[in-house]
Amino acid sequence: GQQVMQIPQYQHVQEGEDFTTYCNSSTTLSNIQWYKQRPGGHPVFLIQLVKSGEVKKQKRLTFQFGEAKKNSSLHITATQTTDVGTYFCAGISGAGSYQLTFGKGTKLSVIP
Amino acid sequence: ETGVTQTPRHLVMGMTNKKSLKCEQHLGHNAMYWYKQSAKKPLELMFVYSLEERVENNSVPSRFSPECPNSSHLFLHLHTLQPEDSALYLCASSQGGAGVVTGELFFGEGSRLTVL
Repeated sequence: GQQVMQIPQYQHVQEGEDFTTYCNSSTTLSNIQWYKQRPGGHPVFLIQLVKSGEVKKQKRLTFQFGEAKKNSSLHITATQTTDVGTYFCAGISGAGSYQLTFGKGTKLSVIP
Repeated sequence: ETGVTQTPRHLVMGMTNKKSLKCEQHLGHNAMYWYKQSAKKPLELMFVYSLEERVENNSVPSRFSPECPNSSHLFLHLHTLQPEDSALYLCASSQGGAGVVTGELFFGEGSRLTVL
């Protein structure tokens, strides 16, 4: 079945440093979504990417979808303590599918 | 504040108990989901209901029994659970019907289940 691998599993950064998490799928994805889960909270949707090579920005967050639609990345510039949490990618492998396959997530810690 | 409400937030039960988790969505969505979140494992999809019909059952043990009486409510009935079933159970909803995810998932805050 479809697998979504996410690295790194953990990342500790000094406040102000940049952070990147990577997501790789074993199959071509029709789209990919990113979620953030704060400690003790629930996953909250950040963004959805659909097009090959797509790049989207949300303030300090930059999301990319690979040309082959099998990988994606989330980059945070100049991290802040409010960025703490676990970032998940989730992919849908086929058009018309309802099943999102989640990666294990990258847990980000920001040292003030 | 989430448009998806889950109760109870915390539940402790013995292996012989029967309990239920409840989820209610106020977003007018057509699809509802149960996910299991365990430590060090990806979010696992358990059940999907689209337009009140179950469209997915991911090889979930029969000790978990879902119920979707209408498009706004979803239950997960629990009986004779095992300690390894202890986890955070997340309900989610999304737009779209006929089993098609057309956008983001809106998650509830989860029900933290501990099985003794």
